[in-house]
Amino acid sequence: DVKVTQSSRYLVKRTGEKVFLECVQDMDHENMFWYRQDPGLGLRLIYFSYDVKMKEKGDIPEGYSVSREKKERFSLILESASTNQTSMYLCASRYPGRGYEQYFGPGTRLTVT
Amino acid sequence: AQRVTQPEKLLSVFKGAPVELKCNYSYSGSPELFWYVQYSRQRLQLLLRHISRESIKGFTADLNKGETSFHLKKPFAQEEDSAMYYCALNYGGSQGNLIFGKGTKLSVKP
Repeated sequence: DVKVTQSSRYLVKRTGEKVFLECVQDMDHENMFWYRQDPGLGLRLIYFSYDVKMKEKGDIPEGYSVSREKKERFSLILESASTNQTSMYLCASRYPGRGYEQYFGPGTRLTVT
Repeated sequence: AQRVTQPEKLLSVFKGAPVELKCNYSYSGSPELFWYVQYSRQRLQLLLRHISRESIKGFTADLNKGETSFHLKKPFAQEEDSAMYYCALNYGGSQGNLIFGKGTKLSVKP
């Protein structure tokens, strides 16, 4: 079974703090993704990575950065957290190629006060 | 630009009734479509993909390129089908970038 884990289930941070969200997958997937999930808006892609040290901006990258130093780990960084970044953050991974599904982590619910 | 539309935010049906969750897409290339489901307090997971032409948990979905639709159907809804359903389009080719619809919450009443 593919396992995608995220470092925290719930996180509360203050405005202006630097926040790290960690994601680890154990299936040697090349592709990894970070989304935020908001009611009424669905999932929106923040950043993705096709390989180690590679990263690409998604649809809503502003205020975020990412790091992928190892194949199994993809980190999302909020440089200076703001209240509008309060959300559920989902990490996913997959093999490259058509037809493969994305496997999702359990999510991190981040509250910025 | 690519787009996925799920017109219903909430769909409420009685147990045993047929259910259809609508999904329309806009994409200039060859579409690859998925349905993902999220049950309460569980992670998002794949329900089915159009290229497999499979039936999962009694659900089916047929890609209609003429109507640019990929509606999810089940003839007899069960209470355990209550969940959030997302339609997704792969616009990233082999890299698999997905664009998701905003989701439809299905509530099956006893």
